[in-house]
Amino acid sequence: QKEVEQDPGPLSVPEGAIVSLNCTYSNSAFQYFMWYRQYSRKGPELLMYTYSSGNKEDGRFTAQVDKSSKYISLFIRDSQPSDSATYLCATPPGVQGAQKLVFGQGTRLTINP
Amino acid sequence: GAGVSQSPSNKVTEKGKDVELRCDPISGHTALYWYRQSLGQGLEFLIYFQGNSAPDKSGLPSDRFSAERTGGSVSTLTIQRTQQEDSAVYLCASSLQGIGGNTIYFGEGSWLTVV
Repeated sequence: QKEVEQDPGPLSVPEGAIVSLNCTYSNSAFQYFMWYRQYSRKGPELLMYTYSSGNKEDGRFTAQVDKSSKYISLFIRDSQPSDSATYLCATPPGVQGAQKLVFGQGTRLTINP
Repeated sequence: GAGVSQSPSNKVTEKGKDVELRCDPISGHTALYWYRQSLGQGLEFLIYFQGNSAPDKSGLPSDRFSAERTGGSVSTLTIQRTQQEDSAVYLCASSLQGIGGNTIYFGEGSWLTVV
């Protein structure tokens, strides 16, 4: 079983829709979770960073962590064509001092005008 | 300010040749990472450098892969005797310190094609 699993999509929605992107993880020791956005032929950029269970909101983006079910989500409200990108969830493995990120496969999202 | 800089941005090489990929991290960042992203796949950790500490090489897929970081700044990833399965995007990243609240900044990657 992969440490982090993510549906690769692709996912295509109309402009203005609410988008839900999801990942599951295998190890309950994982504590930090990130969402990265990667535009075509660009490097990933950090979008959201969460630590605890619950919701964290930043503008149109909301990151949600449910540690009881080992499930993380990213919601995009009022989606725009500029949100079209690949979204990757990531976490540092739950070992203290681990210095690498484990990434999901990434979900390719297209917002249609 | 300048971000993480990688070169070359694109490289086509023949099977069996050696390649060197260069990364110039953000000034002042002590932590440097190399990841690999194959087509349709997530990022795969390769190696991590932090200051003068011994690098974490646990992600290097074979002994054909090596990396060094000179003077705590620029890093070079070397792939010897390239194989077609080495074709991927090689991403370098840096952060102020290691992971743990510090944002990791990625470069745009070096796109390697082995023919």
